[in-house]
Amino acid sequence: KAGVTQTPRYLIKTRGQQVTLSCSPISGHRSVSWYQQTPGQGLQFLFEYFSETQRNKGNFPGRFSGRQFSNSRSEMNVSTLELGDSALYLCASSSGGATGYEQYFGPGTRLTVT
Amino acid sequence: GNSVTQMEGPVTLSEEAFLTINCTYTATGYPSLFWYVQYPGEGLQLLLKATKADDKGSNKGFEATYRKETTSFHLEKGSVQVSDSAVYFCALGPDAGNNRKLIWGLGTSLAVNP
Repeated sequence: KAGVTQTPRYLIKTRGQQVTLSCSPISGHRSVSWYQQTPGQGLQFLFEYFSETQRNKGNFPGRFSGRQFSNSRSEMNVSTLELGDSALYLCASSSGGATGYEQYFGPGTRLTVT
Repeated sequence: GNSVTQMEGPVTLSEEAFLTINCTYTATGYPSLFWYVQYPGEGLQLLLKATKADDKGSNKGFEATYRKETTSFHLEKGSVQVSDSAVYFCALGPDAGNNRKLIWGLGTSLAVNP
């Protein structure tokens, strides 16, 4: 099985711009979670989508949004970028069933905001 | 609420030394416990897991035992290698109280010197 893929791998944006990151989960997985990883804050949960619906949400401002498509691929959008949004954004997929919460991670998208 | 506490790093060891990374948790019920590893420039990979009390998870020479009486899940390896240099994350699985989210520790950086 192919693993979780994330595109792009690296991105440089300017303050005030917006950005869209993409994640393709493992085939058959219906749950996609997004995390922000920074040296100071560790791994912060953004949100989880399951069957095109947001099932869980972390404590991030409304500038961070996401969606999931019928093929389970997910996108994450950050509007009005701030310098503090510079981070590694990780996507993780799981089957999402009653016991399927073991997560499989992609390599991440490294976002730099200047 | 549920929480995970990991020992702070960085941990620096010589090759073939014994490794322990402490992880303790607070949880209602008996959720599963996980150790993930993140090698430089990569996403997280599941290293091992335990789903109930007294279970021992093991993989690649690493072991961790789910200890209900001490609410711990310490990661151990008898003889570390340079290739084990990475960041290790302890995670608590979902239970009825946390909406199916994994709860993450802050990560412990391990550097193994030849």
